[in-house]
Amino acid sequence: KAGVTQTPRYLIKTRGQQVTLSCSPISGHRSVSWYQQTPGQGLQFLFEYFSETQRNKGNFPGRFSGRQFSNSRSEMNVSTLELGDSALYLCASSSGVAGGPRDEQFFGPGTRLTVL
Amino acid sequence: DAKTTQPTSMDCAEGRAANLPCNHSTISGNEYVYWYRQIHSQGPQYIIHGLKNNETNEMASLIITEDRKSSTLILPHATLRDTAVYYCIVRVRDDKIIFGKGTRLHILP
Repeated sequence: KAGVTQTPRYLIKTRGQQVTLSCSPISGHRSVSWYQQTPGQGLQFLFEYFSETQRNKGNFPGRFSGRQFSNSRSEMNVSTLELGDSALYLCASSSGVAGGPRDEQFFGPGTRLTVL
Repeated sequence: DAKTTQPTSMDCAEGRAANLPCNHSTISGNEYVYWYRQIHSQGPQYIIHGLKNNETNEMASLIITEDRKSSTLILPHATLRDTAVYYCIVRVRDDKIIFGKGTRLHILP
């Protein structure tokens, strides 16, 4: 079974631009979560989508948004990029079903975003 | 904020058991203990989780104290490939994951 894939793997943008990152979950998984990882703040939860609906949300400004499609693929968008948005953005998928036999999250390799 | 406390770093000799402690004194009755690890430059990897009973799988064992206020992850025969940051997390199943700083485990040859 193929793992979680994220595209692109690396991205360089300039301040003020916007960016869209893509995540394809493991086949059959309906939940996709996004995380931001920086050296200073560590791993921080952005949001989670389950069956095309946002189910959980972290403490990030409105410039960070996401969506999920009917095939469970997800995208996250960051508008008006700031230098501090430089980070590794990780996507994780899970079955999303509470009480299911395997509800752990499977992480992708991440997209490394550099904002200049 | 993370609900767990872990040592910042630990060393373990290759081939020995690595015992990683975690304190979660405010854990609620419906919260599970999860362990993930992150090898450098990779996404986190699920290891194991449990509610109150001890658990074992092909990667590790999880020992949870009877009062559930602390737990220990045991890697029975550590190898150099186990060098990573290990995160102990408590959460209700299907809730968001709040990562703390984790424990940086160094396996020494």
